[in-house]
Amino acid sequence: DAMVIQNPRYQVTQFGKPVTLSCSQTLNHNVMYWYQQKSSQAPKLLFHYYDKDFNNEADTPDNFQSRRPNTSFCFLDIRSPGLGDAAMYLCATSRDTLAGYRTDTQYFGPGTRLTVL
Amino acid sequence: DQQVKQNSPSLSVQEGRISILNCDYTNSMFDYFLWYKKYPAEGPTFLISISSIKDKNEDGRFTVFLNKSAKHLSLHIVPSQPGDSAVYFCAARLTGNQFYFGTGTSLTVIP
Repeated sequence: DAMVIQNPRYQVTQFGKPVTLSCSQTLNHNVMYWYQQKSSQAPKLLFHYYDKDFNNEADTPDNFQSRRPNTSFCFLDIRSPGLGDAAMYLCATSRDTLAGYRTDTQYFGPGTRLTVL
Repeated sequence: DQQVKQNSPSLSVQEGRISILNCDYTNSMFDYFLWYKKYPAEGPTFLISISSIKDKNEDGRFTVFLNKSAKHLSLHIVPSQPGDSAVYFCAARLTGNQFYFGTGTSLTVIP
């Protein structure tokens, strides 16, 4: 059973054309994350939601935005994709790390590979 | 600035032998360390973890060792099996929900 679903798996966009990647989860986890992973590099945390509270990493470019309309869904919006934004984008979920739940399990989706032409 | 480093991009091991994957970190505030396994075309899946207050955690064939003074952790797989062939990521957590990943080590277990 798929638990973290990312659509589409492959996305091609044009330079400067806005694009939205989506993530949904069936785990009812309150924390959701977006990571960017470029070839041969470590996954890099862009931002995360703790419930509806948005937490942006300090070095995440303004070009990247996110929306979480409800517990199950989270979107990554790239307002004006550049060639350097071509990467794998990973969505993950976990239970609240502050409330005593097990914190050792982030569930990842399969990722969306973004190509910018 | 990479706070979690995996300096070996790849590792090959004979089936039945021990696989040792290494990870170094720079931030002494990390309170939790994790290993993830990733197959092609899939997202990373959690494998094993260790709290910063421990120095060893074991789960079946997998053992993680933490040396806080050296800021080093390692994953031991004994015995290694062909199905263990995958990319292994080391990750570390700051208090809260910030996770930092290494670049991964590609393990190949040769039958």
